[in-house]
Amino acid sequence: EVQLVESGGGLVQPGRSLRLSCAASGFTLADYAMHWVRQLPGKGLEWVSSISWNSVVIGYADSVKGRFTISRDNAKNSLYLQMNSLGVEDMALYYCARDLGLAGSFSDAFDIWGRGTRVTVSS
Amino acid sequence: SYELTQPPSVSVSPGQTASITCSGDKLGDRYVCWYQQKPGQSPVLVIYQDTKRPSGIPERFSGSNSGNTATLTISGTQAMDEADFYCQAWDGISDWVFGGGTKLTVL
Repeated sequence: EVQLVESGGGLVQPGRSLRLSCAASGFTLADYAMHWVRQLPGKGLEWVSSISWNSVVIGYADSVKGRFTISRDNAKNSLYLQMNSLGVEDMALYYCARDLGLAGSFSDAFDIWGRGTRVTVSS
Repeated sequence: SYELTQPPSVSVSPGQTASITCSGDKLGDRYVCWYQQKPGQSPVLVIYQDTKRPSGIPERFSGSNSGNTATLTISGTQAMDEADFYCQAWDGISDWVFGGGTKLTVL
């Protein structure tokens, strides 16, 4: 079964850091570009970051640029999101998602989503 | 930054056609996809590249995109289709933007 499982969320104080992980199974991570998307409580979806299959092309939303770092380890079939200087505006459910694009390219859509990991920022 | 606008809510009677719009500047120049999200669940892709349906998505879901507006159409709407729907646009390079979401009510 094709699956993405996020972990690493939790309660963190403002200004601190957290590292999210996403474990892929049922497919070869190296064949796909990947993304992180977040959903604020009771709100809509927000694209956070993207990474090409070979980590050469990386992008961030303006809201997290300079604070978040996306990375991947294809040998471990894993995707990561290092989040620094967290604020209350970062409180959300964080999803990892697979890009639909062929041969590791980017496309307009994300075809596989995990169940998400929740990040709570509070003192 | 690029913005997409969706109506907050759309209501439809069972068996009728529901249309959910997504508006953005020259949106027709970008690829648009649509996701369905039911309460407590992750988003599910229902339309990509404006008009294509992923495997397993019913034929009653269709999409279009022209000018400044993309539209998700659900023909013969069923109670099980009740959900939040999000459009997403890609600039072809490295920017993905979501619309604010539309709550579809089937009543």
